[in-house]
Amino acid sequence: SQTIHQWPATLVQPVGSPLSLECTVEGTSNPNLYWYRQAAGRGLQLLFYSVGIGQISSEVPQNLSASRPQDRQFILSSKKLLLSDSGFYLCAWNRQVNYGYTFGSGTRLTVV
Amino acid sequence: AQTVTQSQPEMSVQEAETVTLSCTYDTSESNYYLFWYKQPPSRQMILVIRQEAYKQQNATENRFSVNFQKAAKSFSLKISDSQLGDTAMYFCALGLNRDDKIIFGKGTRLHILP
Repeated sequence: SQTIHQWPATLVQPVGSPLSLECTVEGTSNPNLYWYRQAAGRGLQLLFYSVGIGQISSEVPQNLSASRPQDRQFILSSKKLLLSDSGFYLCAWNRQVNYGYTFGSGTRLTVV
Repeated sequence: AQTVTQSQPEMSVQEAETVTLSCTYDTSESNYYLFWYKQPPSRQMILVIRQEAYKQQNATENRFSVNFQKAAKSFSLKISDSQLGDTAMYFCALGLNRDDKIIFGKGTRLHILP
């Protein structure tokens, strides 16, 4: 069966520090991978998606970047965090849209 | 552009009652899928129910059912015999067959009261 792992679960970082959030999928190959941000307990904003190794599409210009160094690994990064980067970050995967997404358990990021 | 609108930011119902969450969407595509996701206090996103746009029959999963009105672009979720564990944020979502991205509404926070 397929599983998705996301870590860390909680992170408190100072302004200006770097960020690296990791997401890995097991039990499938060539998944589509997604990073979402959820601010203030409300809607989900798509940040990045990837359909293959090294292929990254950005939905929203911002202080963040994403990389996919391996088929089932998706990394969200920042060189210098801003206060506005605080939020709940969710990784998700699918093979085709008809079955929706499977989400990771999320990372709560607080920038102080 | 595709949009998903949930007009009820927050709702409260008594345990064992039936509740309906509203959702409307807009797309010019003919081939798409609709979803309801549940996000409990743990914040884990859970797929509740899915509907293929080409199917007229409304999807049902135990106590959860949808009312899919394609012409009206409406996709409401009905929860029967509501339970305390149904307390969560519920997101309506639209997925297009031409790409694999899913667009989410802003959510409805549902409180089930004892």
